[in-house]
Amino acid sequence: DSGVTQTPKHLITATGQRVTLRCSPRSGDLSVYWYQQSLDQGLQFLIQYYNGEERAKGNILERFSAQQFPDLHSELNLSSLELGDSALYFCASSPDTEAFFGQGTRLTVV
Amino acid sequence: AQSVTQLGSHVSVSEGALVLLRCNYSSSVPPYLFWYVQYPNQGLQLLLKYTSAATLVKGINGFEAEFKKSETSFHLTKPSAHMSDAAEYFCAVSEYTGANSKLTFGKGITLSVRP
Repeated sequence: DSGVTQTPKHLITATGQRVTLRCSPRSGDLSVYWYQQSLDQGLQFLIQYYNGEERAKGNILERFSAQQFPDLHSELNLSSLELGDSALYFCASSPDTEAFFGQGTRLTVV
Repeated sequence: AQSVTQLGSHVSVSEGALVLLRCNYSSSVPPYLFWYVQYPNQGLQLLLKYTSAATLVKGINGFEAEFKKSETSFHLTKPSAHMSDAAEYFCAVSEYTGANSKLTFGKGITLSVRP
């Protein structure tokens, strides 16, 4: 158990819908990362937050947004969902350099 | 900018054979380097990390990696493969710490172990 909790574990939704993925980092970790993993794209970095502030952006679509709250939990919002958004979404938290990953949320868009 | 190259997408070894997974990095400053393992339908798990102390780093499950600055490499090895080692392995690099830390991952290598 990495100490990073992601909910829900599985999510099935229709195209055009909006979903919110939640991440609770390890106690004390200020950095939160979001990654998308799919068979064709591999592991893609989406966005990073540090103590509530956005620190880095990767290949994140405009339809996606994220935020980190004062209690350090984070949410990833995915809207206008398309079939191609089906993937595993991982959250990771970091105390300094290395990252500890949650078990992921498997999103299926139908 | 930092980057990681993992050549090849798949490595297959026999049980008991040496495992060698290659990783080369690019970094403008002394890097922090990591290997992660991912089992099917699970998150990534940290195997080991290099943070400028010893160049030979030992990790979990009998894996180790050696940092070679002259070759900009951080290859992962295990003397004797076990069936349970079958998984996907990712190399990652970070140039900074704390608020400025950002992990960059390679594309990953799938390790298969033949009986």
